[in-house]
Amino acid sequence: QKEVEQDPGPLSVPEGAIVSLNCTYSNSAFQYFMWYRQYSRKGPELLMYTYSSGNKEDGRFTAQVDKSSKYISLFIRDSQPSDSATYLCAMSGGSGGSYIPTFGRGTSLIVHP
Amino acid sequence: NAGVTQTPKFRVLKTGQSMTLLCAQDMNHEYMYWYRQDPGMGLRLIHYSVGEGTTAKGEVPDGYNVSRLKKQNFLLGLESAAPSQTSVYFCASSYSSGAGVGNEQFFGPGTRLTVL
Repeated sequence: QKEVEQDPGPLSVPEGAIVSLNCTYSNSAFQYFMWYRQYSRKGPELLMYTYSSGNKEDGRFTAQVDKSSKYISLFIRDSQPSDSATYLCAMSGGSGGSYIPTFGRGTSLIVHP
Repeated sequence: NAGVTQTPKFRVLKTGQSMTLLCAQDMNHEYMYWYRQDPGMGLRLIHYSVGEGTTAKGEVPDGYNVSRLKKQNFLLGLESAAPSQTSVYFCASSYSSGAGVGNEQFFGPGTRLTVL
C-alpha cells in the first residue's frame, strides 16, 4: 500500500459544479499538506498549502485536512473548463519526519462546458 | 525571473546511449530535486540535493547519477539508457526542505525522454 492514495479518475463534471478531490494517507507523521495543479504537458504548480488539521480557503478553492481520519480534500466551487487539469496531493512530515513531500498519483479532472 | 528551466525539452535515445539532463534555477534555492512521472505512477523522486556539492538518493535512484557543482544547477545523468527509463522528467527546487513556509517546490516544464 502506498503512503498516499489518490483516485486517478478521470472525474468529469459540468461547468459550475462543485468538485471534491480527495487523498488518504497512512503516515501519521505528515503535518504539511499541499495540492498541486498540473496542466497537460506542464510542470505541477502549487495551488494550496495547509498545516495540520482544518480548512483553508482561497477564492473558489478550499483545502480541508482531517488528521484523525488521515484524509484530505480539495473543493472547487463554480468549476470552470480552465480548471481541467490533474490535481496532485502531496504531504510531508514534521518533528523528525522528512520534509520532502510524498505525492499522490494525481486525479484527472475534466470540466466540460 | 525564469524560475526553473530544463534542457532539453524532448529527447529520443537508443538503448545503451548516455545523456545528461540539465536543470537550472534562478531563485537562489538551496534544495533541488529530480522526479520522474509515469502514467498511473505519479511523481517519484530519483535524487535530490540539499545544497551545492551534495546529493542524496530518492525513491528510484538506480540507473541515474546526479551532480550539483553549482548552486543554481542540478544535472541528471543516464549512463546507459534503458527502455524502462522512458518517462517525463521534472526538476524542482525549494528554498528549504524544512518545516512551514519555504518548502514549496517550484517545478520546471519537464523533459520528455523516449528510449528505444
